[in-house]
Amino acid sequence: DVKVTQSSRYLVKRTGEKVFLECVQDMDHENMFWYRQDPGLGLRLIYFSYDVKMKEKGDIPEGYSVSREKKERFSLILESASTNQTSMYLCASRPHQGINSPLHFGNGTRLTVT
Amino acid sequence: AQRVTQPEKLLSVFKGAPVELKCNYSYSGSPELFWYVQYSRQRLQLLLRHISRESIKGFTADLNKGETSFHLKKPFAQEEDSAMYYCALSGPGSARQLTFGSGTQLTVLP
Repeated sequence: DVKVTQSSRYLVKRTGEKVFLECVQDMDHENMFWYRQDPGLGLRLIYFSYDVKMKEKGDIPEGYSVSREKKERFSLILESASTNQTSMYLCASRPHQGINSPLHFGNGTRLTVT
Repeated sequence: AQRVTQPEKLLSVFKGAPVELKCNYSYSGSPELFWYVQYSRQRLQLLLRHISRESIKGFTADLNKGETSFHLKKPFAQEEDSAMYYCALSGPGSARQLTFGSGTQLTVLP
């Protein structure tokens, strides 16, 4: 069974701090994704990666960056946290092959920026 | 640009009643559509995908290209169906990334 693990379930950070959200998957998936989940807005794609060291912007990349140095790990970085980045962050992975292969999600990290 | 619209934020039905969660999409190519579900305190998970034409937990969804819809239906709702439901569309990008709708919170009343 695919496991996507997000290192923190809850985080509280101060405005201006640099924040790292970590995600690890154990199924050798090529594709990894970061979404944020907000009530009434659903899931919005921040960044994704289709291979090691490869990354592409999603729909709302402003204020975020990512790192993928190893295939199993995909990190989301908030360079200078702001209160409007308070949200639930979801990491997901998906294999390259297999049309309609599903996304596998982590449990999420609820980030509060004060 | 691709878009997924779920017009109902909240939907309440009584146990045993039929339920339909609406999903409309806009996409220029041949769409790949999914329904994902998130039960309370659980991670988001796949419910069903249109290409499989399957029924999962009594739910079905038919792709209607003419109406650009992919509504989720169940003839007899159960209390355990209460959850947040998201419709999603897979794009043509390098990672076939998914675009999600805003979600519908379904509550099945006893």
